[in-house]
Amino acid sequence: SQKIEQNSEALNIQEGKTATLTCNYTNYSPAYLQWYRQDPGRGPVFLLLIRENEKEKRKERLKVTFDTTLKQSLFHITASQPADSATYLCALDMSGGYNKLIFGAGTRLAVHP
Amino acid sequence: DGGITQSPKYLFRKEGQNVTLSCEQNLNHDAMYWYRQDPGQGLRLIYYSQIVNDFQKGDIAEGYSVSREKKESFPLTVTSAQKNPTAFYLCASSPSTSNQPQHFGDGTRLSIL
Repeated sequence: SQKIEQNSEALNIQEGKTATLTCNYTNYSPAYLQWYRQDPGRGPVFLLLIRENEKEKRKERLKVTFDTTLKQSLFHITASQPADSATYLCALDMSGGYNKLIFGAGTRLAVHP
Repeated sequence: DGGITQSPKYLFRKEGQNVTLSCEQNLNHDAMYWYRQDPGQGLRLIYYSQIVNDFQKGDIAEGYSVSREKKESFPLTVTSAQKNPTAFYLCASSPSTSNQPQHFGDGTRLSIL
């Protein structure tokens, strides 16, 4: 079955630096991949979606890449701020575009002033 | 503002008791989902519904039941058959068309007395 791996260790970075989070998956490539942000005690909030035929997507300080050869997505936050501290979840659609997602466990990001 | 409302925020269950978690959305979305989140694990899909009066089991449906009598509402019942119900439960919705993000509520935390 499909597995998603996100770094379980927290990522600690200095304010102003670029944070890079990794999402690796096994087996066959999904139709698309999504990234969400989750704050403690809250539901996830959608950030970006990237399709299998797209290599890169940007939104303000956020950038996502999707490499179907490596079976990997990278999520970048440039000029990071303490307010970016949260857990970031990667999710894959394995239902051919019908929105049935499989989520990774997430990576916690801590941005220090 | 449109969104998803989950209630209650905290819920306690006694042994042998069924409890029902509420999920209401005013986003006019056709599809709704229930997930369970445990510490250190990704969100796991319990049940989902693509349209009113229809729903399908997800990966961990045993011990749970749902109904979808109205487009806006997708309640989840945690039955006494669910032996390890302590978790954070998240409800989400999305348009039924492909490649859509999911919108989440802020969850219900269920604990055993």
